[in-house]
Amino acid sequence: SAVISQKPSRDICQRGTSLTIQCQVDSQVTMMFWYRQQPGQSLTLIATANQGSEATYESGFVIDKFPISRPNLTFSTLTVSNMSPEDSSIYLCSVEVAGSTDTQYFGPGTRLTVL
Amino acid sequence: GNSVTQMEGPVTLSEEAFLTINCTYTATGYPSLFWYVQYPGEGLQLLLKATKADDKGSNKGFEATYRKETTSFHLEKGSVQVSDSAVYFCALTTNQAGTALIFGKGTTLSVSS
Repeated sequence: SAVISQKPSRDICQRGTSLTIQCQVDSQVTMMFWYRQQPGQSLTLIATANQGSEATYESGFVIDKFPISRPNLTFSTLTVSNMSPEDSSIYLCSVEVAGSTDTQYFGPGTRLTVL
Repeated sequence: GNSVTQMEGPVTLSEEAFLTINCTYTATGYPSLFWYVQYPGEGLQLLLKATKADDKGSNKGFEATYRKETTSFHLEKGSVQVSDSAVYFCALTTNQAGTALIFGKGTTLSVSS
């Protein structure tokens, strides 16, 4: 498995601003993903964070709104840009560990409220 | 396309009752199947998994068996506790590296003493 931390754990932001969420893993991992969980809903994949190249976004999510960086094998950031109340969600980072490619482990999540 | 369907909640049980949460899936090929649990105010934790037909995943008294013939992966526990109150998500992935999880909508379990 892997130990995953996220910062911040929660934040309250004003509309029109941006927030960058950090995801740190205690070991090198093959894949990193970012999910969104809207209130009372299931998880939806935003994008796959690729090390050394641009992230791969799912339908309905674009780089201008959710820019992602992954500078190395243990760290990634997700920015929620130009926020609106509809962006209020829990944002979760997950990782896939080498040798266990069918299992993902999740960080504790970042609870974002946009006013 | 691939999808997961879970029974709708909330499920409300008394302590020591038997729990079943139904999960069925649609997938091409041979997916791996998972149950994740989300306790109040926390992130997702992997509860159990099964990677091929007839495999049984188990953890913390919970069990689920991969049934290819019925495309199901129902979660069961013989005697629930108040501490089991959480949201349970069934999920699948198609066994390719870098493939994201596809989640069901989640089932809220509330156990009272």
